[in-house]
Amino acid sequence: NAGVTQTPKFQVLKTGQSMTLQCAQDMNHEYMSWYRQDPGMGLRLIHYSVGAGITDQGEVPNGYNVSRSTTEDFPLRLLSAAPSQTSVYFCASSNRDRSHEQYFGPGTRLTVT
Amino acid sequence: DQQVKQNSPSLSVQEGRISILNCDYTNSMFDYFLWYKKYPAEGPTFLISISSIKDKNEDGRFTVFLNKSAKHLSLHIVPSQPGDSAVYFCAASTASGGSYIPTFGRGTSLIVHP
Repeated sequence: NAGVTQTPKFQVLKTGQSMTLQCAQDMNHEYMSWYRQDPGMGLRLIHYSVGAGITDQGEVPNGYNVSRSTTEDFPLRLLSAAPSQTSVYFCASSNRDRSHEQYFGPGTRLTVT
Repeated sequence: DQQVKQNSPSLSVQEGRISILNCDYTNSMFDYFLWYKKYPAEGPTFLISISSIKDKNEDGRFTVFLNKSAKHLSLHIVPSQPGDSAVYFCAASTASGGSYIPTFGRGTSLIVHP
């Protein structure tokens, strides 16, 4: 049971480039979320999904897209990277019955120059 | 506007003593309150939770207290151990469209000295 996996672990982008952060979970969890962590800012919700085909915006959605075509995968797309998107990104999943107890991946550290 | 506030960025405690981490919230609709622990270069891990209908939940060395009238919760760690040194995030959630996606505070860095 791998839990929540994220790739890549590290990424450097130039301003304007696009990329996709991958997230997968093997726990058959209905709910999945993307957070970013910035120094002194805690974890801020970007987008979340309560099931395949259903996504919704969180606190800081601008500049990011998500889709949920399967239960297992929840990729996060940066459309045109900006230095303000330099951050550590965490993906999380949870069971519908205990959706407040989230399982987090190890994170992706993204630097945009 | 922050709905979950952790006003102490850091806390230093001697091994064996009690660590008390505090958290305040503003949204009276929150149903669950949670604490997550995070080590450097790792994702947060769920530690303990409490429902809004309770005022205390205990799990081994960890106890969470909830004071709804004051919109305040705290995490007590007794006795503190060096391995408890980590960043602790307070979080709260309410059903939004049927989901309980948590809102997180900014974290408190706990250092337990041997």
